Amino acid sequence: ETGVTQTPRHLVMGMTNKKSLKCEQHLGHNAMYWYKQSAKKPLELMFVYSLEERVENNSVPSRFSPECPNSSHLFLHLHTLQPEDSALYLCASSQDFNTQYFGPGTRLTVL
Amino acid sequence: SQQGEEDPQALSIQEGENATMNCSYKTSINNLQWYRQNSGRGLVHLILIRSNEREKHSGRLRVTLDTSKKSSSLLITASRAADTASYFCATDASYSGAGSYQLTFGKGTKLSVIP
Repeated sequence: ETGVTQTPRHLVMGMTNKKSLKCEQHLGHNAMYWYKQSAKKPLELMFVYSLEERVENNSVPSRFSPECPNSSHLFLHLHTLQPEDSALYLCASSQDFNTQYFGPGTRLTVL
Repeated sequence: SQQGEEDPQALSIQEGENATMNCSYKTSINNLQWYRQNSGRGLVHLILIRSNEREKHSGRLRVTLDTSKKSSSLLITASRAADTASYFCATDASYSGAGSYQLTFGKGTKLSVIP
């Protein structure tokens, strides 16, 4: 266990559904991240939150909407996704010297 | 373009042998990290080496860094079947704000250790 939990672990949704991914870190870190991992592609950084403020948004489509209500929780709201959005979504947290601690991921399948 | 590139993409060895993975990067870094990922799971941090360090050890892991060649290697000695996983190097491409750095990951090396 790394101290970062993600729910749900698996999610299947249709293109018209709205769902949310949840991440919680129990490490007292002040930064949280969303990554997308697709087959045969490098890990893609989607969003970075530092001190609950979004500091990075790497040209992610608006159908992905992050929310960071406090330093321990991070959400990724999903709406009108496409089949190519199917991937493993990883949450991570860090403090200071950029060693990141990852959650187990949510395996998302968009039908 | 991605910062870290691991080589080889896949490696298959017998249990007990040593496994060496390499990482090359393009721009100056403050430090380089190696992570491990079991199939379909999150990444686990293995070791961090700073730009002013040349070698670092942690248990059966040995990491080297050559900043003149912009490359790093990860050596796993006396491999075990449980070492089967994908291994990624990550470099700190940019500073994103207080306490947070943007890491850039490579595509990884998939290591298979055959019992």
